[in-house]
Amino acid sequence: GESVGLHLPTLSVQEGDNSIINCAYSNSASDYFIWYKQESGKGPQFIIDIRSNMDKRQGQRVTVLLNKTVKHLSLQIAATQPGDSAVYFCAENHSNDYKLSFGAGTTVTVRA
Amino acid sequence: EAGVAQSPRYKIIEKRQSVAFWCNPISGHATLYWYQQILGQGPKLLIQFQNNGVVDDSQLPKDRFSAERLKGVDSTLKIQPAKLEDSAVYLCASSPLGGSYNEQFFGPGTRLTVL
Repeated sequence: GESVGLHLPTLSVQEGDNSIINCAYSNSASDYFIWYKQESGKGPQFIIDIRSNMDKRQGQRVTVLLNKTVKHLSLQIAATQPGDSAVYFCAENHSNDYKLSFGAGTTVTVRA
Repeated sequence: EAGVAQSPRYKIIEKRQSVAFWCNPISGHATLYWYQQILGQGPKLLIQFQNNGVVDDSQLPKDRFSAERLKGVDSTLKIQPAKLEDSAVYLCASSPLGGSYNEQFFGPGTRLTVL
């Protein structure tokens, strides 16, 4: 079965607000946690990853937080824009087999 | 740089028929993946190639699914015979050798409907 999953299947956000997308995982042996974005009719697109020995990593308008104590991962999007409307997947990777395991996804809708 | 190309984009078939999907990865990418994405779920890896060799096919239903990457470039995924539960989007992805396995480049997918 899946070892990553998301808390909420949908999230509605006002344009300009910050978004927080959550993910819980159960496999403590994962080496990396990754976030992907999938727009309608397109394939997933890599956003950011974080190694398991880190607790925070920042990218352009995005921040990923990893809390290994409670096995929780989150993606924060600053100043959410209409183009951020998509399904967001968390995934994990074991460096011994380099296979990505995806969770179910959260659909983010940005309100104008 | 051109992205991952897949064809066809859509396919509708009857159960027990056969179907094939084609993928052309980003030029120079040695690793190629096929995923199955059922509606409302995340992608599930079916098979991974490095050049023309299979790295992982542990989740490929080998009684009906087959895939090949004969020349280490483009790839074909086949289903024979199809079942209703095969209705899904089939995604192809690629990544360069020596690159991060975390960043895979996905094509737009082929949406398969089995009636």
